[in-house]
Amino acid sequence: DAKTTQPPSMDCAEGRAANLPCNHSTISGNEYVYWYRQIHSQGPQYIIHGLKNNETNEMASLIITEDRKSSTLILPHATLRDTAVYYCIVRLSGSARQLTFGSGTQLTVLP
Amino acid sequence: EAQVTQNPRYLITVTGKKLTVTCSQNMNHEYMSWYRQDPGLGLRQIYYSMNVEVTDKGDVPEGYKVSRKEKRNFPLILESPSPNQTSLYFCASSSRTDIAPYEQYFGPGTRLTVT
Repeated sequence: DAKTTQPPSMDCAEGRAANLPCNHSTISGNEYVYWYRQIHSQGPQYIIHGLKNNETNEMASLIITEDRKSSTLILPHATLRDTAVYYCIVRLSGSARQLTFGSGTQLTVLP
Repeated sequence: EAQVTQNPRYLITVTGKKLTVTCSQNMNHEYMSWYRQDPGLGLRQIYYSMNVEVTDKGDVPEGYKVSRKEKRNFPLILESPSPNQTSLYFCASSSRTDIAPYEQYFGPGTRLTVT
């Protein structure tokens, strides 16, 4: 699976959009980008995934650059409850191997 | 409500005393997995199961056993716990992993302390 690079921490004002970047410059054509988050010591929670096109669901939007070497997770209106560690994961579809959670980005939403 | 449950949520035990952490999912998922999370090491997979009676080792299987006799349950067994197994444990499940992509659902975690 491709390696990902994320900033260790970010702050965001409550009500504003949080934009979390992820670099995955070695991604291959059939690898998906997944985002999970983990609120302190709780189980990780799936947010969104994508292959090439931008994706949106009720939680977030995922913007993948045309060359697929980086992506951005957007939380459109961050709340205090969005404070968590956000993990960007790249992996092959259909693989039984585990998700590899790196260090992630600690997002702190400030009141 | 779709969920993965783990029991117990917290456990303090002594070295060598066998214990079992249960995991159950209500989503009819084929795939289940156990992870441990330690500071600075992220989540590491212990064992996984592709379906009933099919289990395989993850990255850190030493000192652990699992079984998958029913689709919904995937217990983690520590036959002789040691202090280096003190950790936060997560169970996860997902639908078939040969059909991509998939979303893993995680349980709430079990914090184990071995003294």
